[in-house]
This record gives sequence, structure tokens and C-alpha cells, in this order.
Amino acid sequence: GAVVSQHPSWVICKSGTSVKIECRSLDFQATTMFWYRQFPKQSLMLMATSNEGSKATYEQGVEKDKFLINHASLTLSTLTVTSAHPEDSSFYICSAREIWTGSNYGYTFGSGTRLTVV
Amino acid sequence: GDSVTQMEGPVTLSEEAFLTINCTYTATGYPSLFWYVQYPGEGLQLLLKATKADDKGSNKGFEATYRKETTSFHLEKGSVQVSDSAVYFCALIQPLNTGTASKLTFGTGTRLQVTL
Repeated sequence: GAVVSQHPSWVICKSGTSVKIECRSLDFQATTMFWYRQFPKQSLMLMATSNEGSKATYEQGVEKDKFLINHASLTLSTLTVTSAHPEDSSFYICSAREIWTGSNYGYTFGSGTRLTVV
Repeated sequence: GDSVTQMEGPVTLSEEAFLTINCTYTATGYPSLFWYVQYPGEGLQLLLKATKADDKGSNKGFEATYRKETTSFHLEKGSVQVSDSAVYFCALIQPLNTGTASKLTFGTGTRLQVTL
């Protein structure tokens, strides 16, 4: 079945530095990927929709200058947390869906990245 | 807009007990419905799905039936195991339009803890 690889699975960085998280669809092409943020014991909050070859669409309240999203190819999207601060510490999850006309299947999720900013 | 409501957790059960996690939705048209499971420290895995009314999704002993008349998609399992301990998310998606990708709408998640 479809597999989405997310890397790294966890990262610790110093306050003020930037961190890049990669999301790859391994055996299918995804023109659209989604980035979520999950706070402890809470549901997933959609941050942005990443479109291959074009600018990402951010949800209301998400700082596009802080969370840079690049979807350079049909199999790779990256999320860069710029000038990270402790409040950015969270679990970030990506998801992707192969675009088939008429398909109504759910999305495939990456395994998530635990970001801790110290 | 679309929304999904799940019963609040945590739900604590003894092994081999019967499980029900309620899920109701509000949406226009005919969305597809999903249950995802998240094990500690991991991403989400699709557990089961139903794409039209009266469909029953099933996987690993879990079942859920798409009830349009009650706008529900309750998750059930006849005999839970300790390994079923996880967070369960109910979600919906509107039918795919050609060339676009619809967003998933998630419930808040229900934590299940199964004890020996």
C-alpha cells in the first residue's frame, strides 16, 4: 500500500535556529500534501496544504513566514520551522493522497516528527 | 462547515470487553467516513473506511457502519486487547473533485486504554 516517509522522527534544536522536516511519498505521486500540528492529547490541527509547484495554502492563524512549506516535486514536501522557539515544540505530521479521479480513499500519514525547542 | 464529534475519553476497558466509540458528523452531501488509529509516538494509520450510506467498514476486528439517517459512524469491537490501546480519530472527507484534493475533517480523538 501507499507509504509516506517522514524524517526526522524527532529533533531537538536550540531556540532561534531553523529545523527542516521532510515528507516523502514512497510509491505514489502526491500533487497535494498536508501538514498538521498536534498538541499533547489533542486532535490534529491542519496547518497548511502543500501543492506541488505552487505556493502552499495556509490555514487561518498559521504564520507563513515561520512555517515555510516547499513542495518541490511530486514526492517531496518540506516544512521548515524558522527561528524556532519553545512554543513551537510539538508533534508535526504530514499526509499525502494519490490523486485518482473518483477515488475516495483516506490519506496516508507519515509517522510524525517530535520537535523540541530548548 | 463540516464537523465531526466524538465521545470524550479516555475510555478504560478490561481486556476482552466490548468497545464502542461514538462518532457523529455534520456535513453536506455524501462524505466518506474514516476511523484512524494513532499509537503512542506515531502518526495516524487508517483503520477502516466507508464511502456510502449503509457501508460497513471493518479491519482487525473493528467495525463501523455508515448511518446516514443518524449521521453516525460508531466504532465497535467485540473483544479488545491491550494492544488496542491508542487514540482513535473519526474523520470525514467530501467527494473528490477532479484535479483537487479535499481536506480531512477530524474529530477530537478518543483515547482508549485497555488493561489486563
